[in-house]
Amino acid sequence: ETGVTQTPRHLVMGMTNKKSLKCEQHLGHNAMYWYKQSAKKPLELMFVYNFKEQTENNSVPSRFSPECPNSSHLFLHLHTLQPEDSALYLCASSQDTGGEPAPLHFGNGTRLTVT
Amino acid sequence: AQSVTQLGSHVSVSEGALVLLRCNYSSSVPPYLFWYVQYPNQGLQLLLKYTTGATLVKGINGFEAEFKKSETSFHLTKPSAHMSDAAEYFCAVRHANTGNQFYFGTGTSLTVIP
Repeated sequence: ETGVTQTPRHLVMGMTNKKSLKCEQHLGHNAMYWYKQSAKKPLELMFVYNFKEQTENNSVPSRFSPECPNSSHLFLHLHTLQPEDSALYLCASSQDTGGEPAPLHFGNGTRLTVT
Repeated sequence: AQSVTQLGSHVSVSEGALVLLRCNYSSSVPPYLFWYVQYPNQGLQLLLKYTTGATLVKGINGFEAEFKKSETSFHLTKPSAHMSDAAEYFCAVRHANTGNQFYFGTGTSLTVIP
């Protein structure tokens, strides 16, 4: 399998549930990202991991908790979400060498609905 | 601060007609520029990128874009639209001195009329 794989593709959860989104990249990249995509808004960067270390956290509420156990896997743990958190959550990876910025490679996303 | 503006959230063209999707950026330093395409129920896919060198960049599926520094623009074009080009298109900017931060536009939805 190649590219960036996200599971599940769709998730419906209540506000009191706990769930996790999973992302796996098969590209040998050293950086992984979580983005939130809401209608008519620019993609919002949530978290960045370089070599398993979190390097950015863009003021994301604590009800979103990332985990990066190795450079190929990235999780987003969700708990006590709000209806406004409903969105498409995209995982991406890149190979950053410190020189020219590398493009992002995206997964197909998880469509999250919070009821 | 960096930002990206995509003029026109919806663009409709006839099949075979020219496609022009507009992107302007604001940046205090030379940018690296990208166009991504998103088909329904999929993630974003890289169409093309400008980093350095030639300002006219060719991408996949017959698309190209030209970096015009004086106009702070990076418009996407395709001479002849196909039905399969119907999708959402995103312009993005990134800088070497801003870490891993990409700045995306709000997207342009392209409809191709048979």
